[in-house]
Amino acid sequence: EADIYQTPRYLVIGTGKKITLECSQTMGHDKMYWYQQDPGMELHLIHYSYGVNSTEKGDLSSESTVSRIRTEHFPLTLESARPSHTSQYLCASSEPRTVSYNEQFFGPGTRLTVL
Amino acid sequence: GDSVTQMEGPVTLSEEAFLTINCTYTATGYPSLFWYVQYPGEGLQLLLKATKADDKGSNKGFEATYRKETTSFHLEKGSVQVSDSAVYFCALSDQNTDKLIFGTGTRLQVFP
Repeated sequence: EADIYQTPRYLVIGTGKKITLECSQTMGHDKMYWYQQDPGMELHLIHYSYGVNSTEKGDLSSESTVSRIRTEHFPLTLESARPSHTSQYLCASSEPRTVSYNEQFFGPGTRLTVL
Repeated sequence: GDSVTQMEGPVTLSEEAFLTINCTYTATGYPSLFWYVQYPGEGLQLLLKATKADDKGSNKGFEATYRKETTSFHLEKGSVQVSDSAVYFCALSDQNTDKLIFGTGTRLQVFP
């Protein structure tokens, strides 16, 4: 069973607030990812990391930022939340491609609503 | 670049009906292929995978065969249950970037 956790599960917040979405995994995976999932279900990669001190922007431009100071922790921060940030955010991790073919393990997600 | 195309939903079936969700892909090389399932209010879970041509992935009564000649990885189940109602995503592993390329998802609704 994969062990990847996200908190909070649900967050309702006002415009202009700073928020941090937490993601932690206990599997020792070097690679971690953040996806934004729109109401139409489609997944968009917004950030990824291949290890400590490594962060890259994904395929969809996002105003959020991420950090990777510890292997197990990959938080996502929005400095000033806006209604356009309302979405479901999913965190994932994976082993090296040579081990598991890039199979990703997903957390339960954080549903963010910005009023 | 690599891409995945899957049939649009929703797919609406009666319990015990046969399910097919089509998935085709475009890729260079020999990607690994996956089906993920997302139940309401949850994250994605791996349903099955296939790592080379002609491999058949199977789990919980679902099956999919990696068909290189037709670049397809269709998901099938012989008899669906109400509990199978979920969103299903087809994905491939991009060998150049270590990323997964996802299809747009297909919602399945099964009624008693």
